[in-house]
Amino acid sequence: AQRVTQPEKLLSVFKGAPVELKCNYSYSGSPELFWYVQYSRQRLQLLLRHISRESIKGFTADLNKGETSFHLKKPFAQEEDSAMYYCALRGGYSSASKIIFGSGTRLSIRP
Amino acid sequence: DTGVSQDPRHKITKRGQNVTFRCDPISEHNRLYWYRQTLGQGPEFLTYFQNEAQLEKSRLLSDRFSAERPKGSFSTLEIQRTEQGDSAMYLCASSRRTGINLTYEQYFGPGTRLTVT
Repeated sequence: AQRVTQPEKLLSVFKGAPVELKCNYSYSGSPELFWYVQYSRQRLQLLLRHISRESIKGFTADLNKGETSFHLKKPFAQEEDSAMYYCALRGGYSSASKIIFGSGTRLSIRP
Repeated sequence: DTGVSQDPRHKITKRGQNVTFRCDPISEHNRLYWYRQTLGQGPEFLTYFQNEAQLEKSRLLSDRFSAERPKGSFSTLEIQRTEQGDSAMYLCASSRRTGINLTYEQYFGPGTRLTVT
């Protein structure tokens, strides 16, 4: 079964502290993994995807196929990082099909 | 282009009534998706179109739900005989193949929040 698990509903850290949002997935094959973010009163938007291997707004995520994980990390949290974060997967590269989302983690950065 | 738009943004209806939502994708996006999001959950896939063809439907899409994209541009999602369990945010997204990796990035609309009383 295809599934994305985000074990933390809420993560609260102080400004300047490191952040790690956990994500584990279940998929038979080679999925495409994503992190989406939703800031307050804004629409859902793509933060980063694993195939791009890029850092966006200081966030990185490494796909670990052995542990089926795709944790999101940032070394120094900023107040503007406060948002809802969703880990997601899609079956296959360059696929146009549906995206399967986790239940989300609310990240709160304390000043 | 201001992105994916959805109308209405909020809808309150009584149980048993029919409701229809509209989604206007980004122009030239040939793929259009509908998702549903309930409180405390991530978006769940409902259905998607390539141009006017509906290519996949989730089991979540009961026979009370129907979606259309008649001219391959905007789409409508209709819910007949609404139930309280239909209360949710209904999200629309659109995409087209792009970029070096030829990937379909999905751009989301603001959603339509449905409340069934």
